[in-house]
Amino acid sequence: KQEVTQIPAALSVPEGENLVLNCSFTDSAIYNLQWFRQDPGKGLTSLLLIQSSQREQTSGRLNASLDKSSGRSTLYIAASQPGDSATYLCAVDSGGGADGLTFGKGTHLIIQP
Amino acid sequence: KAGVTQTPRYLIKTRGQQVTLSCSPISGHRSVSWYQQTPGQGLQFLFEYFSETQRNKGNFPGRFSGRQFSNSRSEMNVSTLELGDSALYLCASSLVAGGWELFFGEGSRLTVL
Repeated sequence: KQEVTQIPAALSVPEGENLVLNCSFTDSAIYNLQWFRQDPGKGLTSLLLIQSSQREQTSGRLNASLDKSSGRSTLYIAASQPGDSATYLCAVDSGGGADGLTFGKGTHLIIQP
Repeated sequence: KAGVTQTPRYLIKTRGQQVTLSCSPISGHRSVSWYQQTPGQGLQFLFEYFSETQRNKGNFPGRFSGRQFSNSRSEMNVSTLELGDSALYLCASSLVAGGWELFFGEGSRLTVL
């Protein structure tokens, strides 16, 4: 059974810093990995999707990498801003969508102005 | 283009009642998935529908059911509500089934008293 772990559970940094969020998964046989952000009381916003054949994806100040063999993904946020404050969730698709996504518990990020 | 729309956004029920939640996917998307989010368990997969057929179901009791209509809109139903059913229920849509990027709605927050 696939398990997804996100470290750290919470992170608070000053505005302007570059930061890395970590995600690990137990079964490397995945179709894709997706990063989401969730604001309090809201739904999930898709940030980046990495297919199993890809090593990384970039969108603006965000860069996500994937190392399937080691079961790890990182989300790099450059030049953090207070608006980046949210919970970041990593999710793995292990069954081509048939079994849904397996989510980590998230990293609660606070960017101090 | 409009995103995923979920109704109602908030509702309060009492134990033993039943509830129906609705989800309208992004136009052109044919796959709809449902997830339950609680503080203790995080996000858990409920079921996925594609072309009016349930592809798979997560580890939830039979009180949780769903369906999809020919226009891809989906409903989920929870019968004989229990206190533990209090959660944020999130709907996600994707273009087709099987490993594609998911787009989530804002969720329906259910409180069971």
